[in-house]
Amino acid sequence: EVQLLESGGGLVQPGGSLRLSCATSGINFHNYATIWVRQAPGKGLEWVSAISANGERTFYADSVQGRFTISRDTSKSTVFLQMISLRAEDTALYYCGKDPDYYDTNGYYGLYWGLGSLVTVSS
Amino acid sequence: IVLTQSPATLSLSPGERATLSCRASQSVSRFLAWYQQKPGQAPRLVIYDASDRATGIPARFSGSGSGTVFTLTISSLEPEDFAVYYCQQRYNWPLTFGGGTKVEMK
Repeated sequence: EVQLLESGGGLVQPGGSLRLSCATSGINFHNYATIWVRQAPGKGLEWVSAISANGERTFYADSVQGRFTISRDTSKSTVFLQMISLRAEDTALYYCGKDPDYYDTNGYYGLYWGLGSLVTVSS
Repeated sequence: IVLTQSPATLSLSPGERATLSCRASQSVSRFLAWYQQKPGQAPRLVIYDASDRATGIPARFSGSGSGTVFTLTISSLEPEDFAVYYCQQRYNWPLTFGGGTKVEMK
C-alpha cells in the first residue's frame, strides 16, 4: 500500500519559517517525482513546488520562488519543503503528491497523495 | 497556462449525465488530468493524459479533448460522485489547476 505522510505544519508568525516533510512508503522512491500543492481554506488547488525523481530538477511557483526550497533525503524516502519569510497568504493545507517521472521536459500529475499538513501564518 | 473550468456548479440528480469543461489559454496537447476532491479529503486522480482512467476509477468516468478544450463526462452519477472536480495541466511549468467545478446533488 502506498502511503504519503506530511508533517511539520503549524502556527507561525509572519516572517517565520517552517519545514514540511513528506515521508513515502510502498513505492520505489527513486522512480517518483514529488509535487507540493496547497489549498487555502475554502479555495482551490495551487501548485507550489516539484522535484524530479533523481533530485536533479526543482521547480517553483512564482509566488514562492526565493522563499521556499524543495529537497530530499533518499535514505529516509522523504521530501522536504523549507519555507521562510512566510506570509499570511501562505496559509493553507499543504499536500504532497507523487507521480512516476516521465523524464521529459513536461511536468507531473499527482497519482498518490498524502492527507496534508496545515500551515497557518498569523500573528 | 490558465485553465478555465465551467460551469462553476453543476446541480444534478443521481443517474443523470454530468459534463464538465476545462479550457486552456494555450495548447497543452493531451497533458491534462482531472481530479476528484471530496470535503476533508486529498485530491484523487481520475483521468490523466486527457482520456486515460486512473487505476480503480469506474468506467462511467471518461475524458476527452486535446489542445485547448477538454471534457470530463460522468455517464450516470452515483451518490459517491458528488464532489469538486479540478483539471490540471503538466504541459509546461508552472503546473496549473483550473478553479474547479462542484457537482452537487439537486
